[in-house]
Amino acid sequence: GESVGLHLPTLSVQEGDNSIINCAYSNSASDYFIWYKQESGKGPQFIIDIRSNMDKRQGQRVTVLLNKTVKHLSLQIAATQPGDSAVYFCAENMGNYGQNFVFGPGTRLSVLP
Amino acid sequence: EPEVTQTPSHQVTQMGQEVILRCVPISNHLYFYWYRQILGQKVEFLVSFYNNEISEKSEIFDDQFSVERPDGSNFTLKIRSTKLEDSAMYFCASRGPGPPYEQYFGPGTRLTVT
Repeated sequence: GESVGLHLPTLSVQEGDNSIINCAYSNSASDYFIWYKQESGKGPQFIIDIRSNMDKRQGQRVTVLLNKTVKHLSLQIAATQPGDSAVYFCAENMGNYGQNFVFGPGTRLSVLP
Repeated sequence: EPEVTQTPSHQVTQMGQEVILRCVPISNHLYFYWYRQILGQKVEFLVSFYNNEISEKSEIFDDQFSVERPDGSNFTLKIRSTKLEDSAMYFCASRGPGPPYEQYFGPGTRLTVT
């Protein structure tokens, strides 16, 4: 049958600006989350993770915020660079670490020169 | 840096044929996964594998699918009788004992069923 592709939300930012990518997750029982970056033609690449007992975690140029009350994750990228252009997915784990992850639909980040 | 590899990069097959997608996970990893991504859609979990058995599988992973770790290095996904809707990118992933429970993804195999 015909396959209908998702229309990915797109975020366009100027090089050097900060980016904020949002994700709403589905299961209030999820207790582990990962942000992945997927460049064209490649597999997802781990960026940062967070457990449900935290509400913020920082990495190199990236910060993940978790709001369990509204089941919302965000990924903040500081000083966005052209190499950050990719599709970003959040993935939630349904209570058994490292097993079945449910991926969100993704957001395409375009960095403008 | 160690990485997950997958072969072939692109597989074209006729409907009804069997295909085997191959993966070499990172050598000291113990947990292995297959995901698929239909063009333009989100990544979907298929199956996880640990200690030589399936630990979890999704609804997509029906009787047409099977996985095997035939030796100490390879991890394979077999689709017994391919359908048009099996056309997708198939990603293998592996991880260590954790934390973090980061799954390292391979570059994918693009399967085209005609």
